[in-house]
Amino acid sequence: EAEVAQSPRYKITEKSQAVAFWCDPISGHATLYWYRQILGQGPELLVQFQDESVVDDSQLPKDRFSAERLKGVDSTLKIQPAELGDSAMYLCASSLRTNTGELFFGEGSRLTVL
Amino acid sequence: EDQVTQSPEALRLQEGESSSLNCSYTVSGLRGLFWYRQDPGKGPEFLFTLYSAGEEKEKERLKATLTKKESFLHITAPKPEDSATYLCAVTPHSSGYALNFGKGTSLLVTP
Repeated sequence: EAEVAQSPRYKITEKSQAVAFWCDPISGHATLYWYRQILGQGPELLVQFQDESVVDDSQLPKDRFSAERLKGVDSTLKIQPAELGDSAMYLCASSLRTNTGELFFGEGSRLTVL
Repeated sequence: EDQVTQSPEALRLQEGESSSLNCSYTVSGLRGLFWYRQDPGKGPEFLFTLYSAGEEKEKERLKATLTKKESFLHITAPKPEDSATYLCAVTPHSSGYALNFGKGTSLLVTP
């Protein structure tokens, strides 16, 4: 069964360091999402891509976060510099098309900032 | 402001003890309401989509229903493997298709 791949699964970093997460969506899925989930909360959308274009990045803290999907396939989310409050699970999801709420999530990347 | 509130925050059931989880929402025009299941340390897994009041969807021991103000996820004769966090999400007409998630209900089913 096709899955959304994410790496690393776990990342521990010190504040002010840079960190990057990678996501490979299900083949053929044009829409890709990055969500952040703080423990005990629901996921919050950071950025949505349609192919290589950003559809929604209104909730992305652009002073320290960046996301790209250069060839419209895999994607990278970067944080620089990391802050203590960035500790969370970073979830990547993909969907076949934009106008659907049926998302396929990866297992996530757990970030701990010390 | 669009809001999604789930209750209870946590629920403990005996195996076979049926119950319901609630998701109340306030959105400016509902495009769709979605239920997801999330196991510890994993990403959410899609369960159901509901679009209009009166709609119902079923899958094994789960049934989701929708009214104009809330949705219920009914769990009939649950088993320990149904233990998970159940997330409700909505997408309003104004948002494109970004999902607005609630905080979830953590369900524990004991043998």
